[in-house]
Amino acid sequence: GENVEQHPSTLSVQEGDSAVIKCTYSDSASNYFPWYKQELGKRPQLIIDIRSNVGEKKDQRIAVTLNKTAKHFSLHITETQPEDSAVYFCAASISGAGSYQLTFGKGTKLSVIP
Amino acid sequence: KAGVTQTPRYLIKTRGQQVTLSCSPISGHRSVSWYQQTPGQGLQFLFEYFSETQRNKGNFPGRFSGRQFSNSRSEMNVSTLELGDSALYLCASSLEGGAKNIQYFGAGTRLSVL
Repeated sequence: GENVEQHPSTLSVQEGDSAVIKCTYSDSASNYFPWYKQELGKRPQLIIDIRSNVGEKKDQRIAVTLNKTAKHFSLHITETQPEDSAVYFCAASISGAGSYQLTFGKGTKLSVIP
Repeated sequence: KAGVTQTPRYLIKTRGQQVTLSCSPISGHRSVSWYQQTPGQGLQFLFEYFSETQRNKGNFPGRFSGRQFSNSRSEMNVSTLELGDSALYLCASSLEGGAKNIQYFGAGTRLSVL
């Protein structure tokens, strides 16, 4: 089955700096790659996603890039703010007939230091 | 529109007991997925239901089971509880599952097995 590796497991940045989280996946059939943010004690919330027919997607300070050949995708957060502090999860899914499963990475705890 | 609702929010059980968790999806959503979240392991997929049918199952023992009702509400059951079953159990709903549909998470049920 699909396997998703996520690095780093923890990341500390100064407020205003950029943060990059990287994920690799194993199954070339994966075609959907969402990123979720989970603040302490709260539910995971989708922040951005990308599909396999797109190489890059941007939403304000957040961007995701996808390299299908290398089977890796990355989350980029620019001009980080203290409220960006959270655990971020990448995920990959293979959508086949009658089947849907999201496989998550183990998460990156991002700390933004004021 | 109400979000995904999980009940109860907290549960304390002892080894050997069984437990049932409930998930009410967003109105109109027909796909419900369940995940186990533990520190350091991220979110691990348990199973996904669509129109009362289990479409996909993760790598968990048979003690973990679920079902979905005609109104799309879903329940998850864990029998013969073990200490290692202590975790946050999250459910997520989407319109139809598949890579085209975003998954929205509930707040989770935190299960403690003593």
